[in-house]
Amino acid sequence: KQEVTQIPAALSVPEGENLVLNCSFTDSAIYNLQWFRQDPGKGLTSLLLIQSSQREQTSGRLNASLDKSSGRSTLYIAASQPGDSATYLCAVTGNQFYFGTGTSLTVIP
Amino acid sequence: NAGVTQTPKFRVLKTGQSMTLLCAQDMNHEYMYWYRQDPGMGLRLIHYSVGEGTTAKGEVPDGYNVSRLKKQNFLLGLESAAPSQTSVYFCASRPAGRTSGIPSSYNEQFFGPGTRLTVL
Repeated sequence: KQEVTQIPAALSVPEGENLVLNCSFTDSAIYNLQWFRQDPGKGLTSLLLIQSSQREQTSGRLNASLDKSSGRSTLYIAASQPGDSATYLCAVTGNQFYFGTGTSLTVIP
Repeated sequence: NAGVTQTPKFRVLKTGQSMTLLCAQDMNHEYMYWYRQDPGMGLRLIHYSVGEGTTAKGEVPDGYNVSRLKKQNFLLGLESAAPSQTSVYFCASRPAGRTSGIPSSYNEQFFGPGTRLTVL
């Protein structure tokens, strides 16, 4: 059974700092990996989708990388802003979808 | 284009009561999913559907039933609610078929806003 882990569980940084969120998975037989943002009491918003054949995807200040062989993905957020405060979830697609438990990010003004 | 919508947004039930959660999508997606989200456990797949009239069990299907009578709707039923079913329920959908030459398995999911259910 696929297991997805996100470390750290919580992260607090000052505004303007660059930061990295980590996601690891145990079974490398995946189709893709997706990063989501979840605001309190809200649903999930897709940020980036990396296909298994890709190494990274970029959108604005966000960059996600994927190393399938080692079972790792990182989400890099450049020049963090208070509006980036949210929980970030990664999910891998294999036979089913498996989610990590998330990293709660707080960006302090 | 409303995307994925869920009804109701909140609900409180007593143990043993039944209810149905409705998920609707207007994107003509073939695949639809029901998840539950619990603190410290992430999202777990309850049931899913790969097309109208078809359903399948996910990781935690016990205590739930689903139906997909129309392509745009995916219903999640609790026949006899238990306190262990207190959770936030999310519905998601994604398209089948190839997108830009990529097989359907690679397509991203779109999520609804969630239903917060409390069972007393």
